[in-house]
Amino acid sequence: NAGVTQTPKFQVLKTGQSMTLQCAQDMNHEYMSWYRQDPGMGLRLIHYSVGAGITDQGEVPNGYNVSRSTTEDFPLRLLSAAPSQTSVYFCASSYRDGGLYGYTFGSGTRLTVV
Amino acid sequence: QQPVQSPQAVILREGEDAVINCSSSKALYSVHWYRQKHGEAPVFLMILLKGGEQMRHEKISASFNEKKQQSSLYLTASQLSYSGTYFCGTGYKLSFGAGTTVTVRA
Repeated sequence: NAGVTQTPKFQVLKTGQSMTLQCAQDMNHEYMSWYRQDPGMGLRLIHYSVGAGITDQGEVPNGYNVSRSTTEDFPLRLLSAAPSQTSVYFCASSYRDGGLYGYTFGSGTRLTVV
Repeated sequence: QQPVQSPQAVILREGEDAVINCSSSKALYSVHWYRQKHGEAPVFLMILLKGGEQMRHEKISASFNEKKQQSSLYLTASQLSYSGTYFCGTGYKLSFGAGTTVTVRA
């Protein structure tokens, strides 16, 4: 039981490049979400999914796309990287949506855009 | 809308107590608490539900005041392992506060 697995752990991108951050969970959780963490700002929600085929925007969705083709996987795509997207990205999952169950977080991806 | 946490930081000696507050401008039906060690992922501590009882994780407990739209986290007889940043989360899609950094010194 690996929990929530994120890859890669570290990534350096050049401005304008695209990439996909991977997130997979093996707990059969319906709800998955992506957060970015910047110093002094806590965790901000980018996108979330309440189940396979269903996604929606969070607080800071611009510049990011997501899809959810399976229950297990929830990749985050950066379309054209910008220095403002330098951050630590966390994927999280929960049994259900609605904030009634605890979240399990992945170990994070530290992204630097130069 | 993000909840507001206070204080931003607190420094304790082992064995001392501290309280962290989390307030929301919206009506709350649940509050989550997480702890994050430096360089690691946030770890779920507990969830408080509207109308539910006070929760506890080791010697860390929390309360939920629905009328004040506020939750408080109580660090009792702090240990070195309690050091980290504590986040509260509220709402349907879980918005997090900016965090409270706790440093426990020997």
